[in-house]
Amino acid sequence: GAVVSQHPSRVICKSGTSVKIECRSLDFQATTMFWYRQFPKKSLMLMATSNEGSKATYEQGVEKDKFLINHASLTLSTLTVTSAHPEDSSFYICSARTEAGELFFGEGSRLTVL
Amino acid sequence: GENVEQHPSTLSVQEGDSAVIKCTYSDSASNYFPWYKQELGKRPQLIIDIRSNVGEKKDQRIAVTLNKTAKHFSLHITETQPEDSAVYFCAASTDTGFQKLVFGTGTRLLVSP
Repeated sequence: GAVVSQHPSRVICKSGTSVKIECRSLDFQATTMFWYRQFPKKSLMLMATSNEGSKATYEQGVEKDKFLINHASLTLSTLTVTSAHPEDSSFYICSARTEAGELFFGEGSRLTVL
Repeated sequence: GENVEQHPSTLSVQEGDSAVIKCTYSDSASNYFPWYKQELGKRPQLIIDIRSNVGEKKDQRIAVTLNKTAKHFSLHITETQPEDSAVYFCAASTDTGFQKLVFGTGTRLLVSP
């Protein structure tokens, strides 16, 4: 299957700082990427849809100014958690859609805010 | 919007037995139904998917069935092995343009040797 790479896999930061997570489609171009948040032993919660060259579409209840999404190219989307707080600690996963319509996920990024 | 329910939340079977996980969806416009396997701390991996124009799809020990009338679909794993132990998520998509998936709550499958 297609390869989606996510970086960093783990990040620890102090409260109040911002953290950027990258999602790259390595062997295909993805006009659309998705960002999810997953709590322990829970399902994946869609946060936003990232569209190349346009603004992201956020799901209800997700703060746009808190979770900044940029999809600058057909192979890269970034999620920036701004002014992170302990309650933002979570597992963040991105996914990218191939032209065939299949979705492949990145490895995930575990964020811990102290 | 779309709502996907998944049952059971946990499933324990003996090695060699079959396992069945069921999902129901609410939006009749949904037309794409993938299943993902997620091992602890790892990314979800697509294991099989089905589109609304077919009723069943099989790939070796894994099969998925879809009943559009009843709006439910199921994952069937035969001859289970310990390495099948993981969390399985079903999902449904109502938007073929952007593949915005709504996930079920997950089923933790444990296969005992």
